[in-house]
Order: sequence, then C-alpha cells, then structure tokens
Amino acid sequence: SAVISQKPSRDICQRGTSLTIQCQVDSQVTMMFWYRQQPGQSLTLIATANQGSEATYESGFVIDKFPISRPNLTFSTLTVSNMSPEDSSIYLCSTSATNTGELFFGEGSRLTVL
Amino acid sequence: SQQGEEDPQALSIQEGENATMNCSYKTSINNLQWYRQNSGRGLVHLILIRSNEREKHSGRLRVTLDTSKKSSSLLITASRAADTASYFCATTGGGADGLTFGKGTHLIIQP
Repeated sequence: SAVISQKPSRDICQRGTSLTIQCQVDSQVTMMFWYRQQPGQSLTLIATANQGSEATYESGFVIDKFPISRPNLTFSTLTVSNMSPEDSSIYLCSTSATNTGELFFGEGSRLTVL
Repeated sequence: SQQGEEDPQALSIQEGENATMNCSYKTSINNLQWYRQNSGRGLVHLILIRSNEREKHSGRLRVTLDTSKKSSSLLITASRAADTASYFCATTGGGADGLTFGKGTHLIIQP
C-alpha cells in the first residue's frame, strides 16, 4: 500500500491567480495520477505523471492550464493556473499498486475560486 | 466521457438492510474496481474483480461481474450507518493506467 499526503487540504482563491497542490507518497512509485472531481460529480483523470518525463494529459486538459512537476519518485505537484470559478473542485492525487492496478488516493485538495 | 454508469444515483435504506448498487460500462476491461468516498474526501479501494471472475466476496461486500452484459453489482449486507458514502465503480483496460470512474451512487443509511 501507499500513504499519500496532499496539501493544501483546502483553499479559497481569487479569480486569475494560480495555486500549486503538492502530493507526497511514503514510498517510491513509478506513476502518479491527478484527478479532478467537480462538485457532485465523479472523478476525471487530468494527467499521468512519470518521473523524468513530461506528464501525459487527457483530452480536455492542457499543460498551460495544469502544469505538473514530478521531480522524483515520491513527489509531484499540480498547478491550477489562471483560475476561474469553474476550476472549483476537489483535486486528488493517486498512485497505483503496480501488481493489481488498485489506486491509492490522497485526501484531496478542495479548491474554491471566487 | 465516463466509462461507468452507476445506478441508482442515490439510495437511502434502513440500517441493517442490504444495499445493492449497479455499474455498467462500455468497453472491454481487464478488471473492475469499487471505491468508497466519504464526504468529498479521498477514495478508498474496496474490492477488485478481474474480467475472468464472476463473483468476489470481502467481508460484508459481494461483487458480481457479467462481462457479457458489461455490468457489475456491489452488494453491502447488513448495512451500518458508517456505510453512508458515495460508491464508485472504476475500470481499466490494463497495466498501471489511470482508472476511469463512473458517476457514483450516494448511499445513505438511516439509523
């Protein structure tokens, strides 16, 4: 299993600003995933982050809006850039158990944009 | 677009009763997983069933998978107030790819 810590747990931000969410895993992992969960909705995969390479973004998500860093095997950041109220969501970091495909999640970062 | 569709979207039952949630998906899968989310927090993995399995048990949880109908069900027996949460099915085509999640069922257990 993997224990994932995310911060901030929540934040209230002004329109037009950017916020960086940090994700720390207690063990070395190959792949890390960033999900968005809009209010009352399910999870949507934003991107997959591998250490040492650029993140792979899903359709509808672009690097300019959601830049991701993956400097080592235990850490990743997601930045939400030039925020608008539509970016108000829970952002979740996760990683997988490579032998089963089971995902482990952080507690999420609840972002409110005014 | 979402791979999985759960129904019902919301379910309210009395404590002690059984709760059944269903999930349908659209494409071939390697496995199907169920997760629980308490009040907008992180998700917790409940159970994984592989495409060559038809039924799996874990404690009070029973999962079935019908690949011919592209559907799965999650049964929680003898429900408790602490089971109140949102439940999501998720599918993967294989490897360590990110999962595709369904819309979820919000389960409320009335004491």
